[in-house]
Amino acid sequence: GQSLEQPSEVTAVEGAIVQINCTYQTSGFYGLSWYQQHDGGAPTFLSYNALDGLEETGRFSSFLSRSDSYGYLLLQELQMKDSASYFCAVRMDSSYKLIFGSGTRLLVRP
Amino acid sequence: DTEVTQTPKHLVMGMTNKKSLKCEQHMGHRAMYWYKQKAKKPPELMFVYSYEKLSINESVPSRFSPECPNSSLLNLHLHALQPEDSALYLCASSQGQGRNTEAFFGQGTRLTVV
Repeated sequence: GQSLEQPSEVTAVEGAIVQINCTYQTSGFYGLSWYQQHDGGAPTFLSYNALDGLEETGRFSSFLSRSDSYGYLLLQELQMKDSASYFCAVRMDSSYKLIFGSGTRLLVRP
Repeated sequence: DTEVTQTPKHLVMGMTNKKSLKCEQHMGHRAMYWYKQKAKKPPELMFVYSYEKLSINESVPSRFSPECPNSSLLNLHLHALQPEDSALYLCASSQGQGRNTEAFFGQGTRLTVV
């Protein structure tokens, strides 16, 4: 089976930096994506890593180490609106198959 | 237009009913997905269509029947569902090529089976 493990919950203070980790074991791997989902909303795409290293998009950065089957999402200058669930997702192969991790609920406190 | 539109937003159906969920995108995406999401759980992949052909069925019970009438539309036909099938059903699409792996999600249909 496939598994993508994330911490279930993270709490941080407004203005701080938080890192959400994802370790995966999948039968195929094409790349790692991150999605944000607010309560009652749809998942929205944040970033994608196909190669090792860091990808930066504004306040959000994502890192991948293929040899360690590990990635993380880094959120800087946290804002209250960042309170949401964050999912890592593995694109399995060229077949478009996209599998989601267990999800991390981020709570940002004033 | 970067939207995926799903209808209806809410649906209540009995276990003997037949209903359909609809999904539409006009981004020219060639991959379309159905996901099921229970409260406080991740989206769970059900089906993938690529180039209007069913490419992945994640062992979904036959009471769920997908259909892709054309490259912009995706339907999910429901029949004889069980109360445990109550969930948020999400449709998504992606370009799928190279680095264009971003999946765009619709707002979902919240389904209640009574």
